[in-house]
Amino acid sequence: DAGITQSPRHKVTETGTPVTLRCHQTENHRYMYWYRQDPGHGLRLIHYSYGVKDTDKGEVSDGYSVSRSKTEDFLLTLESATSSQTSVYFCAIKGNNEQFFGPGTRLTVL
Amino acid sequence: GENVEQHPSTLSVQEGDSAVIKCTYSDSASNYFPWYKQELGKGPQLIIDIRSNVGEKKDQRIAVTLNKTAKHFSLHITETQPEDSAVYFCAASLGDDKIIFGKGTRLHILP
Repeated sequence: DAGITQSPRHKVTETGTPVTLRCHQTENHRYMYWYRQDPGHGLRLIHYSYGVKDTDKGEVSDGYSVSRSKTEDFLLTLESATSSQTSVYFCAIKGNNEQFFGPGTRLTVL
Repeated sequence: GENVEQHPSTLSVQEGDSAVIKCTYSDSASNYFPWYKQELGKGPQLIIDIRSNVGEKKDQRIAVTLNKTAKHFSLHITETQPEDSAVYFCAASLGDDKIIFGKGTRLHILP
C-alpha cells in the first residue's frame, strides 16, 4: 500500500465539532494530497502539500484546513464539521509522477 | 483549469468479453494520463498510465490508447474476469502538482 496509513479509519461526529484526520507516509515523498470521494463526484482535491509547511488549495477547500509540520504527516482539519462534509476521505502521496492512495477514512457528520 | 469527462458511468459486460472506458480532457498541455481501479472499501490503485509521447501502452489484458489531437484516451480490458469488477477512474495531469480525476465508471462483469 505504498507506505501510507490514515487514521482514524472511521469516525462519527456531530455538527459543529472539530475533526482532524491524519495521513502518515513512510516513503519520504515531498507531495501529499487530501481528496474527498462522494457518489457522482469522483475524487475531488481538497488541499495538497509540496513540502513541510508548504500547502495549497484544491477545488473544494472551503471548510477545511491542513498542516504539515513533518515530511511524514499531513493533517486535515474540519474546524466545525457540517453534514455536507460527510464523505470518504483519501490521502495520497506522489512519487515519480504517480499518485498512491491510502485506505481512506469514512467520516459521518450527524 | 483541466477538466476530465469519463463515460460511461456504468458498464456491464459478459465475462470473457472486452470493456472500453473513454475519457476526454480539456487542457492540451496535459501530458500524463493514469488509470486507477478501486475495489469496494479500498483506496484507488494505479493500474496503468500513459504519457503524451506515446500513443498506446499494454500490460497483459489491459491497454490504454491516447489521441492527443482529439484530447481523448481510453482504457481497454480484454477477456474480462470477475475480479475486474470495480470502479475505474481516468485522470489527467499537466505534470505539475495536481492530477484531475474523472467521475468514475462502475464496471460489472456478468457471469
